Amino acid sequence: DTGVSQDPRHKITKRGQNVTFRCDPISEHNRLYWYRQTLGQGPEFLTYFQNEAQLEKSRLLSDRFSAERPKGSFSTLEIQRTEQGDSAMYLCASSLGDRSSGANVLTFGAGSRLTVL
Amino acid sequence: DAKTTQPNSMESNEEEPVHLPCNHSTISGTDYIHWYRQLPSQGPEYVIHGLTSNVNNRMASLAIAEDRKSSTLILHRATLRDAAVYYCILTSGTYKYIFGTGTRLKVLA
Repeated sequence: DTGVSQDPRHKITKRGQNVTFRCDPISEHNRLYWYRQTLGQGPEFLTYFQNEAQLEKSRLLSDRFSAERPKGSFSTLEIQRTEQGDSAMYLCASSLGDRSSGANVLTFGAGSRLTVL
Repeated sequence: DAKTTQPNSMESNEEEPVHLPCNHSTISGTDYIHWYRQLPSQGPEYVIHGLTSNVNNRMASLAIAEDRKSSTLILHRATLRDAAVYYCILTSGTYKYIFGTGTRLKVLA
């Protein structure tokens, strides 16, 4: 297993365009997370999946953002009508855990850096 | 969500021990204390976690205060590769790992 993979690593787009990021988690992991990180800040939680169910979306995730995890495997994060404020690193993480444990360890991917011109 | 407070930055000399503090005065009984670090241009990396007792692994040690309101990540011999941002996070029975701004560790050769 090569860990959590994210694609593309870098994306430059013009304002108003749509972009999609893909995350392939560690295969046996049932939980998948998306975070966003801007320069000088820690990662901010965006959304979380338990298998294929999206259980929570942060208020940071506007209507232009949508995430899916079909069949509980890979996940995609789509941003429609991108704005310059969307420029950030988008991080995916996965973990194996049950609902009751705070001991779950996250494994992060290297991230997808988005630049909106 | 319980919050943590960390110094913005710290410096250490190479080959010396580093003690990275974290205050979490509002910690609840079910909150685990996790530490992650983030090297430049990489995603965060798990370092260590604990609940009540001190923990050791190949990367570091975690010392947890008796009242659990603070903890310290200990790197026994800092190397240049340990230069990173270190995050202290509290988690409980939820999935939400809330990162703060962390401590930027600079290791001097």
